[in-house]
Formats: sequence, structure tokens, C-alpha cells
Amino acid sequence: AQRVTQPEKLLSVFKGAPVELKCNYSYSGSPELFWYVQYSRQRLQLLLRHISRESIKGFTADLNKGETSFHLKKPFAQEEDSAMYYCALSTGGFKTIFGAGTRLFVKA
Amino acid sequence: SAVISQKPSRDICQRGTSLTIQCQVDSQVTMMFWYRQQPGQSLTLIATANQGSEATYESGFVIDKFPISRPNLTFSTLTVSNMSPEDSSIYLCSARGEANTEAFFGQGTRLTVV
Repeated sequence: AQRVTQPEKLLSVFKGAPVELKCNYSYSGSPELFWYVQYSRQRLQLLLRHISRESIKGFTADLNKGETSFHLKKPFAQEEDSAMYYCALSTGGFKTIFGAGTRLFVKA
Repeated sequence: SAVISQKPSRDICQRGTSLTIQCQVDSQVTMMFWYRQQPGQSLTLIATANQGSEATYESGFVIDKFPISRPNLTFSTLTVSNMSPEDSSIYLCSARGEANTEAFFGQGTRLTVV
């Protein structure tokens, strides 16, 4: 079965601290993985995708096929990073399955 | 990129009635989807809206309850039929241009059934 697991519903860190939002997936095919973010009062938007291997707003995520993980990391959290983060898996090219989401709260 | 407009943005409806949500994309897209996001929950895919043919529904969702139309490449509607309080949720329209590319989202329709 296709599944995306985000074990933490809420993650609270201090400004300047490192952040890691965990994501594990289950998919028998070749996965396309994404991180989406939803800031307060804004629509859901793409943060980054594994195939791009880029850093967006200081965030990076590496696909580990052995551990079936796609954890999102940032070395120094900022207050404006506070948001809801969703890990997502694209299957068959078009359909997207979302994890439960992790709310990141960065304290001053 | 694509900009997606949904309307209404919110509504309060009586149980037993139906509501149709409209989704307009500002460019032609290959795929359109409808999601539900219940309070405190993640996004659950309801169906894929297919242009010119019947939508493809996910397990647990049926056409009689959630009829979907997609008359062209830029527009789709989702109807929530015979509503009950359990249908209270945010309904999201999403679109993608090509396989494995970014998905774009509407701002959502917040539905409350009383």
C-alpha cells in the first residue's frame, strides 16, 4: 500500500536551533517525493521536491531509499518557518498522497 | 505555474442539501483533483477529475455522494450531496500540468453543515 508517515504532529524549536521534520514512505515503485508547506492564512504550496536536489529557504531533504525516508532539515530555524509541513508522495506520475502533516513552531 | 480559484471560499449549509464547489485554473492542466481536509487531519484524495469522462474515485468515496464534472481542461466542479455534519470539512481543488511536477492548490472551500 502507498503510505506517507509523519510521526510528529507538532514540533517546537527555538529560533536558531536545527530542525528535522521526519517523513517515511511506503511505495513499491520509484517514488517522487515532495514537501509542501502551508503558512498561516495561505494556500498549500510546494517547498521542495527530491528530484530537484535544491535548497529552498534553507531547507533540504534527501531521499534515502534504503530507509524509505525523506526527512526535511534546516540547520538554523527562523520564526517565519512556523507553518504546517506536509510530506507527499507522487504515485503513477500524477496522484499525490499526503502525510498527516507536522506543525512547526519556532519560538523566539 | 498555475493559479487556482475556488468558490465559494466558505459556506454554511443545512443537512440534506447539496453544495457545488467550482474550481477554475488559469491555464490548461493535464490533471485536476479534489481533496478533503477534515479538522486536524491531512489531505485525503477524493477523486481525479477526468476531462470529458467520469471521475476516478478513491476508496471510500462514491459518485452519488461526490459527483464531479470536468467539461474542459481548466474547470471542474465538486458537488457534496445530501450533506450531513460529518461532511463539514475543507475541500481543496488541485491541478498538475505534467507527471511528477508540482501540484498547485486552490485556497479551499470551508464547508460547515448544520
